[in-house]
Amino acid sequence: GQNIDQPTEMTATEGAIVQINCTYQTSGFNGLFWYQQHAGEAPTFLSYNVLDGLEEKGRFSSFLSRSKGYSYLLLKELQMKDSASYLCAVPGSGAGSYQLTFGKGTKLSVIP
Amino acid sequence: ETGVTQTPRHLVMGMTNKKSLKCEQHLGHNAMYWYKQSAKKPLELMFVYSLEERVENNSVPSRFSPECPNSSHLFLHLHTLQPEDSALYLCASSQDRSGGAGETQYFGPGTRLLVL
Repeated sequence: GQNIDQPTEMTATEGAIVQINCTYQTSGFNGLFWYQQHAGEAPTFLSYNVLDGLEEKGRFSSFLSRSKGYSYLLLKELQMKDSASYLCAVPGSGAGSYQLTFGKGTKLSVIP
Repeated sequence: ETGVTQTPRHLVMGMTNKKSLKCEQHLGHNAMYWYKQSAKKPLELMFVYSLEERVENNSVPSRFSPECPNSSHLFLHLHTLQPEDSALYLCASSQDRSGGAGETQYFGPGTRLLVL
């Protein structure tokens, strides 16, 4: 089975840096996704990590440690529009590889 | 705009009604998905189609019936729903080059369903 854990809520100040953690347990590993979801809208793809290390994409970076079953999403120079839920997700393996198991999401509130 | 559209965006139905949700993708993808998103719960995969064939075997009540007439369209037929089925229903698609593993899924805006 697959299990994902991430904090329920976080608050950060505009212009600051915030790190959203995700721990996972999977029977096989096919990478890890981060999605952003604004209230009432579709989840949108942010990043996909399959190898250990940090991948940077503008203000957003994502880190993966396969040995620790751990990932984080780093958001720099926070803007008000970054207020959203951030979803960590892992695909299944083998016959279940279409299955994306999502965490409950971390609701980030950016305050002035 | 992700290239995946869903209609209707909002739907209110009684428990005896029959309705259908529609999803269309304009990305040339081969796999399409239905997810359910309830308050305080993670996204739950309901159905997956690859090249119009249903794959995965998630246990979903029979009052939800999917249909995939071609690789661009996906329907979810609803009948005799319960109030606890009220949720956001999201459609997604992916390229499907490698049996789903590690492929990015692109989501539609969802249908907000309320069952009275």
